[in-house]
Amino acid sequence: NAGVTQTPKFQVLKTGQSMTLQCAQDMNHNSMYWYRQDPGMGLRLIYYSASEGTTDKGEVPNGYNVSRLNKREFSLRLESAAPSQTSVYFCAMEREGFDEQFFGPGTRLTVL
Amino acid sequence: TQLLEQSPQFLSIQEGENLTVYCNSSSVFSSLQWYRQEPGEGPVLLVTVVTGGEVKKLKRLTFQFGDARKDSSLHITAAQPGDTGLYLCAGRAPGNNRLAFGKGNQVVVIP
Repeated sequence: NAGVTQTPKFQVLKTGQSMTLQCAQDMNHNSMYWYRQDPGMGLRLIYYSASEGTTDKGEVPNGYNVSRLNKREFSLRLESAAPSQTSVYFCAMEREGFDEQFFGPGTRLTVL
Repeated sequence: TQLLEQSPQFLSIQEGENLTVYCNSSSVFSSLQWYRQEPGEGPVLLVTVVTGGEVKKLKRLTFQFGDARKDSSLHITAAQPGDTGLYLCAGRAPGNNRLAFGKGNQVVVIP
């Protein structure tokens, strides 16, 4: 997981609360991704950013917003958390031209 | 419909045994990657295969890319408890700007 950091590592929210998951990379790659991982569902793409200042929806974007203010950081925001958003969230960066992604250690989120 | 199908979903074997897991698709991929994910951690890239028919070895792990570049296999020789984990395959189909992931092969090696 070298190169990608995520905070916090664990979080418990009540329904309706908001929070921002932080992700930062130190390898100067353009593309960054947010996934959620649920049992039996695999990794599902929430949002991605091909470069600084651009973002695009993935497979499951509803209930989330993202921000790519600079090349290094890509944050994921839950405006009004729901129990269905209980999951493990992974941020990843991609090495251009190689289709290889490098993941952070994950944020384990529980929404009560 | 899952673009990449991995089988078996779960496999439990004794230490020292061999195992093979599979990643299949009806689409052609320019490359496929294999990742291993251990409990409580993020996936870690193991290998990328690019050429149809290519075989890559990583210690006791052997990765093969199908001739038609639609499938891949991972063979572990003399499995060790440290090989326990979720093995994910991933690839980007031509014309698609997103990497697709399979749901994974959960491997448990019993000491």
